[in-house]
Amino acid sequence: SAVISQKPSRDICQRGTSLTIQCQVDSQVTMMFWYRQQPGQSLTLIATANQGSEATYESGFVIDKFPISRPNLTFSTLTVSNMSPEDSSIYLCSVVPGTSSYEQYFGPGTRLTVT
Amino acid sequence: GDSVTQMEGPVTLSEEAFLTINCTYTATGYPSLFWYVQYPGEGLQLLLKATKADDKGSNKGFEATYRKETTSFHLEKGSVQVSDSAVYFCALGTYGGNNRLAFGKGNQVVVIP
Repeated sequence: SAVISQKPSRDICQRGTSLTIQCQVDSQVTMMFWYRQQPGQSLTLIATANQGSEATYESGFVIDKFPISRPNLTFSTLTVSNMSPEDSSIYLCSVVPGTSSYEQYFGPGTRLTVT
Repeated sequence: GDSVTQMEGPVTLSEEAFLTINCTYTATGYPSLFWYVQYPGEGLQLLLKATKADDKGSNKGFEATYRKETTSFHLEKGSVQVSDSAVYFCALGTYGGNNRLAFGKGNQVVVIP
Protein backbone atom coordinates (compact mmCIF):
# COMPACT_ATOMS: atom_id res chain seq x y z
CA SER A 1 0.00 0.00 0.00
CA ALA A 2 0.94 3.68 0.11
CA VAL A 3 0.27 6.60 2.42
CA ILE A 4 -0.94 9.66 0.58
CA SER A 5 -1.44 13.17 1.88
CA GLN A 6 -3.08 16.14 0.22
CA LYS A 7 -2.92 19.85 0.90
CA PRO A 8 -5.05 21.76 1.52
CA SER A 9 -7.74 19.53 2.99
CA ARG A 10 -10.36 22.14 2.15
CA ASP A 11 -10.59 25.67 0.85
CA ILE A 12 -13.13 28.30 -0.03
CA CYS A 13 -12.11 30.35 -3.05
CA GLN A 14 -13.45 33.28 -4.98
CA ARG A 15 -14.64 32.99 -8.54
CA GLY A 16 -11.88 33.69 -11.07
CA THR A 17 -8.97 32.70 -8.83
CA SER A 18 -6.79 29.58 -8.97
CA LEU A 19 -5.96 26.94 -6.39
CA THR A 20 -3.06 24.49 -6.42
CA ILE A 21 -3.57 21.15 -4.68
CA GLN A 22 -0.59 19.10 -3.59
CA CYS A 23 -0.36 15.32 -3.41
CA GLN A 24 2.52 13.67 -1.54
CA VAL A 25 3.19 9.91 -1.41
CA ASP A 26 5.41 8.14 1.10
CA SER A 27 7.06 5.99 -1.59
CA GLN A 28 8.01 6.25 -5.22
CA VAL A 29 5.17 5.40 -7.57
CA THR A 30 4.94 5.37 -11.32
CA MET A 31 1.24 5.98 -11.78
CA MET A 32 -0.58 8.92 -10.22
CA PHE A 33 -4.10 10.04 -11.04
CA TRP A 34 -6.28 13.05 -10.32
CA TYR A 35 -10.05 12.68 -9.89
CA ARG A 36 -12.96 15.00 -9.35
CA GLN A 37 -15.95 14.04 -7.25
CA GLN A 38 -18.83 16.44 -7.55
CA PRO A 39 -21.36 16.57 -4.71
CA GLY A 40 -23.21 13.28 -4.41
CA GLN A 41 -21.55 11.88 -7.52
CA SER A 42 -19.05 9.21 -8.43
CA LEU A 43 -15.43 9.81 -9.35
CA THR A 44 -14.45 11.28 -12.69
CA LEU A 45 -10.86 10.88 -13.84
CA ILE A 46 -9.29 14.20 -14.78
CA ALA A 47 -5.85 13.07 -15.86
CA THR A 48 -2.95 10.71 -15.40
CA ALA A 49 0.10 12.51 -14.02
CA ASN A 50 3.22 11.20 -15.73
CA GLN A 51 6.65 11.78 -14.27
CA GLY A 52 8.90 13.63 -16.66
CA SER A 53 6.27 14.23 -19.32
CA GLU A 54 2.96 15.96 -19.92
CA ALA A 55 -0.11 14.72 -18.13
CA THR A 56 -2.63 12.70 -20.09
CA TYR A 57 -6.07 14.31 -19.89
CA GLU A 58 -9.44 12.63 -20.17
CA SER A 59 -12.14 13.83 -22.50
CA GLY A 60 -13.68 17.05 -21.22
CA PHE A 61 -10.61 18.18 -19.27
CA VAL A 62 -7.93 20.46 -20.65
CA ILE A 63 -4.48 21.51 -19.54
CA ASP A 64 -5.30 25.21 -19.47
CA LYS A 65 -8.01 24.63 -16.88
CA PHE A 66 -6.30 21.86 -14.89
CA PRO A 67 -2.52 22.15 -15.25
CA ILE A 68 -0.66 19.29 -13.57
CA SER A 69 2.93 18.97 -12.49
CA ARG A 70 4.78 15.78 -11.63
CA PRO A 71 8.36 16.75 -10.79
CA ASN A 72 9.29 13.42 -9.19
CA LEU A 73 7.96 9.99 -8.27
CA THR A 74 6.49 11.04 -4.92
CA PHE A 75 4.78 14.35 -5.64
CA SER A 76 2.25 15.98 -7.93
CA THR A 77 0.16 19.12 -8.06
CA LEU A 78 -3.15 19.91 -9.68
CA THR A 79 -4.17 23.52 -10.28
CA VAL A 80 -7.79 24.47 -10.76
CA SER A 81 -7.62 27.67 -12.80
CA ASN A 82 -10.05 30.54 -13.25
CA MET A 83 -12.51 28.87 -10.92
CA SER A 84 -16.28 29.05 -11.15
CA PRO A 85 -18.90 27.64 -8.75
CA GLU A 86 -19.17 24.59 -11.02
CA ASP A 87 -15.65 23.64 -9.94
CA SER A 88 -16.85 23.09 -6.37
CA SER A 89 -15.94 19.45 -5.79
CA ILE A 90 -13.71 17.09 -3.92
CA TYR A 91 -10.42 16.58 -5.74
CA LEU A 92 -8.61 13.32 -5.06
CA CYS A 93 -5.25 11.98 -6.07
CA SER A 94 -4.52 8.30 -6.25
CA VAL A 95 -1.53 6.09 -6.91
CA VAL A 96 -0.75 2.60 -8.11
CA PRO A 97 2.08 1.42 -5.87
CA GLY A 98 4.80 -0.91 -7.04
CA THR A 99 3.85 -3.45 -9.63
CA SER A 100 0.30 -3.88 -8.33
CA SER A 101 -2.04 -3.80 -11.27
CA TYR A 102 -5.04 -1.48 -11.16
CA GLU A 103 -5.20 -1.39 -7.35
CA GLN A 104 -5.32 2.31 -6.55
CA TYR A 105 -4.83 4.02 -3.22
CA PHE A 106 -6.43 7.37 -2.61
CA GLY A 107 -5.52 10.49 -0.75
CA PRO A 108 -8.01 12.03 1.71
CA GLY A 109 -9.18 14.57 -0.84
CA THR A 110 -9.36 18.34 -1.07
CA ARG A 111 -12.82 19.82 -0.61
CA LEU A 112 -13.09 22.94 -2.75
CA THR A 113 -15.92 25.44 -2.56
CA VAL A 114 -16.01 28.28 -5.07
CA THR A 115 -18.15 31.30 -4.23
CA GLY B 1 -16.16 0.71 -23.25
CA ASP B 2 -15.65 -0.87 -19.87
CA SER B 3 -18.27 0.13 -17.33
CA VAL B 4 -19.77 -0.69 -13.96
CA THR B 5 -23.42 -0.48 -12.97
CA GLN B 6 -24.55 -0.28 -9.37
CA MET B 7 -28.08 -0.61 -8.11
CA GLU B 8 -29.99 2.64 -7.86
CA GLY B 9 -30.63 4.62 -4.73
CA PRO B 10 -29.44 4.74 -1.13
CA VAL B 11 -29.73 1.76 1.15
CA THR B 12 -31.15 2.20 4.64
CA LEU B 13 -31.21 -0.70 7.04
CA SER B 14 -31.17 -1.51 10.73
CA GLU B 15 -28.14 -2.60 12.70
CA GLU B 16 -27.42 -6.34 12.39
CA ALA B 17 -29.36 -6.59 9.14
CA PHE B 18 -27.98 -8.30 6.03
CA LEU B 19 -26.53 -5.99 3.39
CA THR B 20 -26.32 -6.61 -0.35
CA ILE B 21 -25.21 -4.05 -2.90
CA ASN B 22 -25.45 -5.16 -6.50
CA CYS B 23 -22.71 -4.51 -9.04
CA THR B 24 -22.57 -5.69 -12.64
CA TYR B 25 -19.93 -4.92 -15.19
CA THR B 26 -19.23 -4.76 -18.90
CA ALA B 27 -15.68 -5.37 -20.04
CA THR B 28 -13.99 -6.54 -23.20
CA GLY B 29 -11.15 -8.30 -21.41
CA TYR B 30 -10.72 -9.97 -18.04
CA PRO B 31 -11.05 -7.24 -15.47
CA SER B 32 -9.96 -7.01 -11.89
CA LEU B 33 -12.83 -5.94 -9.65
CA PHE B 34 -12.83 -3.77 -6.55
CA TRP B 35 -15.06 -2.38 -3.86
CA TYR B 36 -14.07 0.95 -2.36
CA VAL B 37 -15.65 2.59 0.68
CA GLN B 38 -15.85 6.31 1.43
CA TYR B 39 -16.67 7.26 5.00
CA PRO B 40 -18.13 10.73 5.61
CA GLY B 41 -15.61 13.47 4.95
CA GLU B 42 -12.86 11.07 3.89
CA GLY B 43 -11.21 9.76 0.73
CA LEU B 44 -11.75 6.33 -0.76
CA GLN B 45 -10.40 3.21 0.89
CA LEU B 46 -9.93 -0.09 -0.86
CA LEU B 47 -12.30 -2.52 0.84
CA LEU B 48 -11.69 -5.71 -1.14
CA LYS B 49 -10.74 -7.01 -4.54
CA ALA B 50 -10.84 -10.02 -6.85
CA THR B 51 -8.63 -10.53 -9.85
CA LYS B 52 -10.11 -13.57 -11.62
CA ALA B 53 -13.33 -15.50 -12.00
CA ASP B 54 -14.64 -17.26 -8.87
CA ASP B 55 -12.25 -15.35 -6.61
CA LYS B 56 -13.82 -14.15 -3.40
CA GLY B 57 -12.58 -10.93 -1.88
CA SER B 58 -13.22 -10.33 1.80
CA ASN B 59 -12.42 -7.74 4.45
CA LYS B 60 -14.03 -6.44 7.66
CA GLY B 61 -16.89 -8.92 7.32
CA PHE B 62 -17.66 -7.85 3.75
CA GLU B 63 -17.46 -10.33 0.89
CA ALA B 64 -17.83 -10.25 -2.88
CA THR B 65 -17.42 -13.06 -5.41
CA TYR B 66 -16.28 -12.48 -8.98
CA ARG B 67 -18.98 -14.13 -11.13
CA LYS B 68 -17.96 -14.24 -14.77
CA GLU B 69 -21.12 -16.02 -15.92
CA THR B 70 -23.33 -13.24 -14.56
CA THR B 71 -20.72 -10.46 -14.89
CA SER B 72 -21.36 -9.51 -11.30
CA PHE B 73 -19.47 -8.63 -8.13
CA HIS B 74 -22.12 -8.08 -5.48
CA LEU B 75 -21.06 -6.86 -2.06
CA GLU B 76 -22.49 -8.58 1.03
CA LYS B 77 -22.22 -8.36 4.78
CA GLY B 78 -24.11 -10.59 7.15
CA SER B 79 -24.60 -8.17 10.05
CA VAL B 80 -24.03 -4.46 9.55
CA GLN B 81 -23.06 -1.96 12.20
CA VAL B 82 -23.70 1.76 12.46
CA SER B 83 -20.01 2.27 11.65
CA ASP B 84 -20.59 0.71 8.20
CA SER B 85 -22.55 3.80 7.18
CA ALA B 86 -20.66 5.08 4.14
CA VAL B 87 -20.73 5.28 0.36
CA TYR B 88 -19.66 2.11 -1.45
CA PHE B 89 -18.21 2.16 -4.97
CA CYS B 90 -17.71 -0.78 -7.28
CA ALA B 91 -14.85 -0.44 -9.77
CA LEU B 92 -13.04 -2.39 -12.46
CA GLY B 93 -9.66 -2.24 -14.11
CA THR B 94 -8.65 -4.01 -17.29
CA TYR B 95 -5.35 -5.00 -18.83
CA GLY B 96 -4.30 -2.40 -21.33
CA GLY B 97 -6.32 0.29 -19.60
CA ASN B 98 -3.22 2.01 -18.32
CA ASN B 99 -4.18 1.15 -14.75
CA ARG B 100 -7.26 3.30 -15.01
CA LEU B 101 -10.34 2.32 -13.05
CA ALA B 102 -13.97 2.65 -14.09
CA PHE B 103 -16.20 3.44 -11.10
CA GLY B 104 -19.86 2.85 -10.52
CA LYS B 105 -22.07 5.66 -9.24
CA GLY B 106 -21.82 4.54 -5.64
CA ASN B 107 -24.42 3.58 -3.07
CA GLN B 108 -25.03 5.47 0.14
CA VAL B 109 -25.55 3.01 2.99
CA VAL B 110 -27.18 4.26 6.18
CA VAL B 111 -27.34 1.91 9.15
CA ILE B 112 -29.83 2.85 11.84
CA PRO B 113 -29.26 1.77 15.46
